[in-house]
Amino acid sequence: DIQMTQSPSTLSASVGDRVTITCRASQSISSWLAWYQQKPGKAPKLLIYKASSLESGVPSRFSGSGSGTEFTLTISSLQPDDFATYYCQHYNSYPITFGQGTRLEIK
Amino acid sequence: EVQLVESGGGLVQPGGSLRLSCAASGFTFSSYWMSWVRQAPGKGLEWVANIKQDGSAKLYVDSVKGRFTISRDNAKNSLYLQMNSLRGEDTAVYYCARGTVTDSVWEYWGQGTLVTVSS
Repeated sequence: DIQMTQSPSTLSASVGDRVTITCRASQSISSWLAWYQQKPGKAPKLLIYKASSLESGVPSRFSGSGSGTEFTLTISSLQPDDFATYYCQHYNSYPITFGQGTRLEIK
Repeated sequence: EVQLVESGGGLVQPGGSLRLSCAASGFTFSSYWMSWVRQAPGKGLEWVANIKQDGSAKLYVDSVKGRFTISRDNAKNSLYLQMNSLRGEDTAVYYCARGTVTDSVWEYWGQGTLVTVSS
């Protein structure tokens, strides 16, 4: 199974900050990586697919990069609505697995 | 508008069974892979099962193989998850999710249904 490891687990930041979350795969997954945002009590929301493609309707302050085993999600200027938990997910092969999540909290 | 509405969750004793349903609307159901993804209370996301458009391929996470069965009825635009031999570690919110035509990238999710396995 491919293990997905996110860092950091928790990130404290302020509105307007630029933040980066890292996701590492235990083996190469090419660009078969997605990022989701989840708020408490809600279903996840797809932000990025194929490592760097922005899902329709997602603000352009979100961007993704990487390939192989190392990936990043960057939020260029944090907005109040962005404080949530973020998950990476590979879909290179089965079983599909997620990272453990990164909780983005207000500093 | 794409809608996925789960039902069938509840409290069940260890060793018991439960059948979850997901009613889909707003898209051509038979054209998409469908999935179940779960989230234990306070924990992260875990993929559970996938089913191909025509039901010819079904894939499961190891922890549910032999106990859970995913199925679909394209005529009724419905997805199902039959869960048998339930364990405490199956306690979670179960989400129905729509993949793309070819990939397990989930653009649309239901609101989730809570399954609690406890005596």
